[in-house]
Amino acid sequence: AQTVTQSQPEMSVQEAETVTLSCTYDTSESDYYLFWYKQPPSRQMILVIRQEAYKQQNATENRFSVNFQKAAKSFSLKISDSQLGDAAMYFCAYRSFHTGANSKLTFGKGITLSVRP
Amino acid sequence: GAVVSQHPSRVICKSGTSVKIECRSLDFQATTMFWYRQFPKQSLMLMATSNEGSKATYEQGVEKDKFLINHASLTLSTLTVTSAHPEDSSFYICSARKAGNSGNTIYFGEGSWLTVV
Repeated sequence: AQTVTQSQPEMSVQEAETVTLSCTYDTSESDYYLFWYKQPPSRQMILVIRQEAYKQQNATENRFSVNFQKAAKSFSLKISDSQLGDAAMYFCAYRSFHTGANSKLTFGKGITLSVRP
Repeated sequence: GAVVSQHPSRVICKSGTSVKIECRSLDFQATTMFWYRQFPKQSLMLMATSNEGSKATYEQGVEKDKFLINHASLTLSTLTVTSAHPEDSSFYICSARKAGNSGNTIYFGEGSWLTVV
């Protein structure tokens, strides 16, 4: 079974600064997807960024980028120019490439990010 | 973009009664829907996976007779909490996988707060 580990429960960053959220995972599969989701106080789950394991290039979405290290099974999220609206809980998630019953997301425990003005 | 709607967003029910939460994909067909439960400041816990026209697959430890899931159409899945008790009070979130999608995106509903008094 796949597992996702987010070892830092909380982090804080100064507005306009850069912060990196860590995530490691364990799997025996070679094809999979990795995600970072943001959950603000509204509780709506928002997809921040997605990475396909077969792609060597790190995914980037505006101020959000990942450092995907497949051999190390590491998938960290970097938030540049942090904004107050980035304050939320962030979840790292894994999903098998295969469809059917294995298509579920496996989430890490999450990390609460606070942004200091 | 794809929209998943949950209803009701908040519900209060008396202990011993049943309550139904709906999850609808508004602009796409969803072959698979997922139901999660989330406690405060914790991760999402997958309860069950439902596929249109077939029985739901429950995660270990989730009582299928207590949490009835029905996926009667490609756009609607329902979660019924039967004989609700205060310990069932929680935040419930659904998500949907788009039919025909290779599987790299799952869309989340806004969630439903259940309070059992």
